[in-house]
Order: sequence, then C-alpha cells, then structure tokens
Amino acid sequence: EIVLTQSPGTLSLSPGERATLSCRASQSVSSSYLAWYQQKPGQAPRLLIYGASSRATGIPDRFSGSGSGTDFTLTISRLEPEDFAVYYCQQYGSFPYTFGQGTKLEIK
Amino acid sequence: EVQLVESGGGLIQPGGSLRLSCAASGFTVSSNYMSWVRQAPGKGLEWVSVIYSGGSTYYADSVKGRFTISRDNSKNTLYLQMNSLRAEDTAVYYCARENSGSLGAFDIWGQGTMVTVSS
Repeated sequence: EIVLTQSPGTLSLSPGERATLSCRASQSVSSSYLAWYQQKPGQAPRLLIYGASSRATGIPDRFSGSGSGTDFTLTISRLEPEDFAVYYCQQYGSFPYTFGQGTKLEIK
Repeated sequence: EVQLVESGGGLIQPGGSLRLSCAASGFTVSSNYMSWVRQAPGKGLEWVSVIYSGGSTYYADSVKGRFTISRDNSKNTLYLQMNSLRAEDTAVYYCARENSGSLGAFDIWGQGTMVTVSS
C-alpha cells in the first residue's frame, strides 16, 4: 500500500498570500495518477488537479500542481476567501487507492 | 446535468446489513469506473471499492469479504451491499466517477449518505 503523508497538517495564511501544500509518497507514484481535492465542511470533495499538474474543468489558474516520483506539491498563488478548506492528495495508480490525511488551510 | 445522488444510509446495529444506492444522471454508470469512498466523522477520506466498466471489482482490505459493489445498468445505478457491519464502518459514504478524461481521477462525487453502526 502506498502511504501518502501531507504536510503541514494545518496552514494558517491570510487572503492574498501564497500557499504551498506538500504530499509525500512512501513509494513512487506515477505522475499520471496523482490528484488533489478540496473539501469544505459538509460538502463532498472537489477535484482540483489530476495527473499531478493538470487542472480539472473550471478550476481557477491560481491552483497549480507539480512534482513527480514521491514528492508532489499543490500551490495556490494568491489565496481567495473561498480557498480556505481541507486539501487531500490521492494516488489512484495502484490498489488500494489511497489518500493523504489532509492539510487544513485556515485563515490567519 | 451530470450528477450522482446517494441514498440508503441510516442507523444500523453491529452485525447488520445495509445497501447503499447511487443514482447517476447525465452519464452512463456502466461506461465508467465507479468507486465508493468513505469518511468517518472528523476524519479523512478512505477508498472502499471500485467497479470497472468491464465488471471487475476491487476492495479495500478493511471491507473485503463483507462489502459488495455492483450496478444495475437498466437503472443507471451503483450499489454497495454492506454486511457484517462494525462500529468502524460508521462514516459518510460517497460514490464517485473515475473519469478517463481526467486520467481516472474522481471528477464527479455524490453528496454522501451517512451510515451509523451502533447498538
């Protein structure tokens, strides 16, 4: 099983700042099968990034993904008020599919 | 509109059974890979099971032998039959579509249905 470890657990930033979220895998993940999701309280997750760096339909370009192998990053260039949420990375290249434990992005 | 709507959750005693449904609209369930993902209260996401378009199924070790994923093509609906339920199965259960256009990432999610296993 591929274990995904996200850091930091909580990130406190202000609107307008840049956010950098990390996802580290216990073994190599094909970049084609690494995704990022956003989840707000009481809502289902929403796909942001797939294939490590491709934005999903309708996702603003302030969201970007990068990385390969075991180290992946989600960057939000300038935080908007609606971006404060929990973010999960996921690998879906091998079974069992696994998610990171999440990074909570909170308003400072 | 492309959407998924889950139903069937509720309060069930340990050892009991429950069947969750996930009705799709705007696309064909049988033409896609479809997964169930769960989230225990206050916790992260856990993948549960997938059914491929060809019918192959895969499960997380935590539910293997107790849960069965299936679909009814005539109703365009996905199911999760859950048997021998345990307290640790308590969670919101989401169905999700794996989209080949997004390299298999989960692009459409239902709103979730809550399952509570308790005596």
